[in-house]
Amino acid sequence: DAKTTQPPSMDCAEGRAANLPCNHSTISGNEYVYWYRQIHSQGPQYIIHGLKNNETNEMASLIITEDRKSSTLILPHATLRDTAVYYCIVRDSGTYKYIFGTGTRLKVLA
Amino acid sequence: DSGVTQTPKHLITATGQRVTLRCSPRSGDLSVYWYQQSLDQGLQFLIQYYNGEERAKGNILERFSAQQFPDLHSELNLSSLELGDSALYFCASSRTTLYNEQFFGPGTRLTVL
Repeated sequence: DAKTTQPPSMDCAEGRAANLPCNHSTISGNEYVYWYRQIHSQGPQYIIHGLKNNETNEMASLIITEDRKSSTLILPHATLRDTAVYYCIVRDSGTYKYIFGTGTRLKVLA
Repeated sequence: DSGVTQTPKHLITATGQRVTLRCSPRSGDLSVYWYQQSLDQGLQFLIQYYNGEERAKGNILERFSAQQFPDLHSELNLSSLELGDSALYFCASSRTTLYNEQFFGPGTRLTVL
């Protein structure tokens, strides 16, 4: 199965950029990388996804390395409301299973 | 509000029992996904349906089954419940089956006593 690896926790000062890394070295060539976040026990919320090129939307930017083995989610100006667990997800190309990593618990500090 | 509804919000039952969790996807979404999240654990993908057909199967136990009905709502059936089945169960939906963002419901919290 595909696999993702993320640091278990990170802190970020309010107003600064939060850079959350993810390793997905087993990703296949035509599968996207997705990022979601979960605040407390609410349903996860979609943030962004990408295939090869860097992507940006109103919430975040996604930087994918050229070899596609890792990516970084960037929250440009973190706020206290961005405190959450962030998940990097890939889909296994053989089984179509969505693989959630253990996530990074981001704490934004005032 | 994601537009995905799940019922019930909470469910308390005893070991050995059977329960049914229900999910209504967003209007127009054809795919439904089920996930399990045990206490302080990450999300485990259970199963995906697309337009009534099973599309992908994850770490779903044989005691669990699911289906998607013609009106696209889905049910997850959990039988012979064990203490370890206590968890949050999320349903998500997406437009199609490929390269889509998933919209998650608020979850059903199952407690097995």
